[in-house]
Amino acid sequence: KNQVEQSPQSLIILEGKNCTLQCNYTVSPFSNLRWYKQDTGRGPVSLTIMTFSENTKSNGRYTATLDADTKQSSLHITASQLSDSASYICVVSDYSSASKIIFGSGTRLSIRP
Amino acid sequence: EAQVTQNPRYLITVTGKKLTVTCSQNMNHEYMSWYRQDPGLGLRQIYYSMNVEVTDKGDVPEGYKVSRKEKRNFPLILESPSPNQTSLYLCASKNDRPMSSYNEQFFGPGTRLTVL
Repeated sequence: KNQVEQSPQSLIILEGKNCTLQCNYTVSPFSNLRWYKQDTGRGPVSLTIMTFSENTKSNGRYTATLDADTKQSSLHITASQLSDSASYICVVSDYSSASKIIFGSGTRLSIRP
Repeated sequence: EAQVTQNPRYLITVTGKKLTVTCSQNMNHEYMSWYRQDPGLGLRQIYYSMNVEVTDKGDVPEGYKVSRKEKRNFPLILESPSPNQTSLYLCASKNDRPMSSYNEQFFGPGTRLTVL
């Protein structure tokens, strides 16, 4: 069964600190993996997309990594800011179907001043 | 501004009272989709549409209906809402051609529905 699991479920860190969120998936055949950020009361917004051949991709203070062999991805946030408080959702697409997208349940990140 | 809009943003209703949540996009996207988001479960797809007059069931379609008469609109209909349909509903759209699975989904702001 295609699944996407994220850890931790929630995380609290102090402003300015770094953190890493994890995503493990069993989706096969794999097409791509996206990280979304969802602010409270808003819809998710894409941060990065990674394909099979990509190991790392950055978007400002966000850096995503992908290990297609172990089927793991991480999202690293550097020098966190209060505005980083949000849910971060890992989403994996199945290559065999354009419409099949599997969502993780998300990590709720809270940044404390 | 390119966007997906949903109405209403918040709705409290009672069991059995039919309701419609509207979704509209101004990006000329072929693909549109409805999800519900519940704590600990992530987003689950209700219905999706690959183009006008083409709709398909997602993972949790029971109790919902959709229609796609125009490219920009994709309303979600709850004929007889029940308390287990209390959730956050998210509409999304994306280009469907080419390399469809690589195309980003753009989400609306969500509709928070409470069924008493």
